[in-house]
Amino acid sequence: KAGVTQTPRYLIKTRGQQVTLSCSPISGHRSVSWYQQTPGQGLQFLFEYFSETQRNKGNFPGRFSGRQFSNSRSEMNVSTLELGDSALYLCASSLDQGASYGYTFGSGTRLTVV
Amino acid sequence: DAKTTQPPSMDCAEGRAANLPCNHSTISGNEYVYWYRQIHSQGPQYIIHGLKNNETNEMASLIITEDRKSSTLILPHATLRDTAVYYCIVRVAPNSNSGYALNFGKGTSLLVTP
Repeated sequence: KAGVTQTPRYLIKTRGQQVTLSCSPISGHRSVSWYQQTPGQGLQFLFEYFSETQRNKGNFPGRFSGRQFSNSRSEMNVSTLELGDSALYLCASSLDQGASYGYTFGSGTRLTVV
Repeated sequence: DAKTTQPPSMDCAEGRAANLPCNHSTISGNEYVYWYRQIHSQGPQYIIHGLKNNETNEMASLIITEDRKSSTLILPHATLRDTAVYYCIVRVAPNSNSGYALNFGKGTSLLVTP
């Protein structure tokens, strides 16, 4: 079956612009989480969505937002981009059935802010 | 969630067993130990998880000490493709109440050499 699909794979933006990243979870997975990975901070949790509702949020400024659609696809948006937002953004989906299942991650979107 | 301590790096010869330790001395009774790995430029991959019994799957074995304060991930016959960063994560079983956020920490960079 298809894995978690993230688009685009690479993106270059200018400071001050905004960006929208997309994530299509595995079919049947209803939970979608987003992570930011940078060399300095490692993998950090951004937020998690389930049934179109944000269920958890990490410690990121309000410039980072997201949403989930009725088909479980999710988007995250970063407004007023800063150089420090350059990172690999990873999406993970889960069956939402407890400890027995791990998360499946996509390959990520690498965002470069110049 | 309980904090984990892992060595920053380890080496292993191809074909030998790789034993990756993780300390989690403050683990609570309802917290699981999860292991993920991240191969360069890819999203993290779920390996295995356990509560208090040793676990084995097609990828690895997880040995949890009786007091649950530490664990070891064992890759029985390491290959070059096992070169990756390995993350030990301790948290309650994810569910609709606790959510699905993972605290990855720094992990252990495993280098498998020919």
